[in-house]
Amino acid sequence: DVKVTQSSRYLVKRTGEKVFLECVQDMDHENMFWYRQDPGLGLRLIYFSYDVKMKEKGDIPEGYSVSREKKERFSLILESASTNQTSMYLCATNPGLQETQYFGPGTRLLVL
Amino acid sequence: SQQGEEDPQALSIQEGENATMNCSYKTSINNLQWYRQNSGRGLVHLILIRSNEREKHSGRLRVTLDTSKKSSSLLITASRAADTASYFCATDAWDGNNRLAFGKGNQVVVIP
Repeated sequence: DVKVTQSSRYLVKRTGEKVFLECVQDMDHENMFWYRQDPGLGLRLIYFSYDVKMKEKGDIPEGYSVSREKKERFSLILESASTNQTSMYLCATNPGLQETQYFGPGTRLLVL
Repeated sequence: SQQGEEDPQALSIQEGENATMNCSYKTSINNLQWYRQNSGRGLVHLILIRSNEREKHSGRLRVTLDTSKKSSSLLITASRAADTASYFCATDAWDGNNRLAFGKGNQVVVIP
């Protein structure tokens, strides 16, 4: 079974803090994704990566950056957290183009 | 980007009844996927139907796809309390990139 883990289930941060969300997968998948999920808005793609050191902007990249130094790990970085980044963050992976995405359990981030 | 839209948004049924939800999308696709999300958790893939398929079954799930109407339906037969969750459809893009566009989700409550 594919296993996708996220570093924290719940996180509370202060406005202006730098926040790191980590995602690790154990299935050697090429592709990794970061989404945020908000009530009434569904899932929105922040960034994704097709390979190590490769990244592409999704639909809402502003205020975020990512890092993929190793194939199994994809990090989402909030350079200076703001209250409007309070959300559920979901990491996903898939082995190839247009295939099923496998999701981590999510990190619920609260920015005060 | 295109986006799946589920309908109805919320559904409440008795255990044992069938639950049907629909998804519409705007542009041509290669495949359409349905996911389930239990409260506060990540998404779990249920079923993928390709654009050249009209119907697919998996256990108590039945998915149909009508590409002429740009719509899909998910039927859960003989529902159980454990089916209480949000259900999302997701479509890929015909141009072959690896992005999925998710609908806003459909909340299903199965009353024991």
